[in-house]
Amino acid sequence: SQTIHQWPATLVQPVGSPLSLECTVEGTSNPNLYWYRQAAGRGLQLLFYSVGIGQISSEVPQNLSASRPQDRQFILSSKKLLLSDSGFYLCAYQGDKESYEQYFGPGTRLTVT
Amino acid sequence: DQQVKQNSPSLSVQEGRISILNCDYTNSMFDYFLWYKKYPAEGPTFLISISSIKDKNEDGRFTVFLNKSAKHLSLHIVPSQPGDSAVYFCAASAFNNDMRFGAGTRLTVKP
Repeated sequence: SQTIHQWPATLVQPVGSPLSLECTVEGTSNPNLYWYRQAAGRGLQLLFYSVGIGQISSEVPQNLSASRPQDRQFILSSKKLLLSDSGFYLCAYQGDKESYEQYFGPGTRLTVT
Repeated sequence: DQQVKQNSPSLSVQEGRISILNCDYTNSMFDYFLWYKKYPAEGPTFLISISSIKDKNEDGRFTVFLNKSAKHLSLHIVPSQPGDSAVYFCAASAFNNDMRFGAGTRLTVKP
């Protein structure tokens, strides 16, 4: 069966510090992978998506970046966090590229202080 | 730009009654629509979907209706149960490209 993991579950970081969030998927090959952010009181905002290793598309210009070093690994990074980066970060995968459904990980709650 | 809109941030319904959650979209290229359910501090879980070639899809207590001319879809939950209390997100996709989500509607089902 397919599963998706995200870590850490919660993170408190000071402004200006770096960030690295990791997402891994099991039970599927060459999935489409996505990073979303849910800010307080808002919906899900697509940040990045990847259709393969090393292939990253950015939806929103910001101080975040994403990388896909391996087929089932997706990393969200920042060199210097801003207060506005606080939010709930969700990784999702689309295992069957003929299907539309995306499946989400448990999320990471990031608080920038 | 908000291509998918959920104009009601919250909805309160009595247990056993019908819950109707609404969603509007602006992009006529969307060809697939989905509803997700989300509990606090968890990732959204897929609930039900509908292709643009259909106007209704039913799965147990959940039914999604699509009105393409009005660019409107709705999710009906009958009968509503307290465990249905969650935030519901509407999402839309065009040709299996990236998905756009609405802001969500918080449903509260009162016992």
